[in-house]
Amino acid sequence: AAGVIQSPRHLIKEKRETATLKCYPIPRHDTVYWYQQGPGQDPQFLISFYEKMQSDKGSIPDRFSAQQFSDYHSELNMSSLELGDSALYFCASRIAEFGFHEQYFGPGTRLTVT
Amino acid sequence: SQKIEQNSEALNIQEGKTATLTCNYTNYSPAYLQWYRQDPGRGPVFLLLIRENEKEKRKERLKVTFDTTLKQSLFHITASQPADSATYLCALDRRYGGGSQGNLIFGKGTKLSVKP
Repeated sequence: AAGVIQSPRHLIKEKRETATLKCYPIPRHDTVYWYQQGPGQDPQFLISFYEKMQSDKGSIPDRFSAQQFSDYHSELNMSSLELGDSALYFCASRIAEFGFHEQYFGPGTRLTVT
Repeated sequence: SQKIEQNSEALNIQEGKTATLTCNYTNYSPAYLQWYRQDPGRGPVFLLLIRENEKEKRKERLKVTFDTTLKQSLFHITASQPADSATYLCALDRRYGGGSQGNLIFGKGTKLSVKP
């Protein structure tokens, strides 16, 4: 079965650089979520999209932005990177139908800021 | 604000025993609660969802209970195996009045180690 695809899997950037993370949800899934997980931490919600519109916003820094495109893939843009942005970034998708609430996570992008 | 607590950071048990993990929450009345499994460096994997009107849900060797009065969920793995070793996350899913559903709020997780 198709799963959530994230690219790249690993990314190394320097401070103050920019990074773009991509997420391709499971086919027919119309909702995408982005999470950030620091070392030894639980995943923290950043932002979500439903039908290409931002649906919810969590602890996402102003330096980050995201969007969902017409083919439902999503991109997380991160600017002015800081050392503290080093983390695993997960994308998850789900189908927003009654009774379907579980989220399917991608393998993550490991971002290292040096 | 909502708060989720998982009773222990780590749980070590012997193969074949039943593992019981606890999730408590405060300041919230969720419509449902979810459990995920996470292996190191990988994304969480959905295991079970239990709704507020359900007392218990089972799936193979897994069982989840939900006590909305105590604001607590218990997650059991029976006949545990070394392959069950992972971090188990409890998560709440907020429901909004319209449009898409809410995001997940995770507990800190319990790292389960099953020794042969």
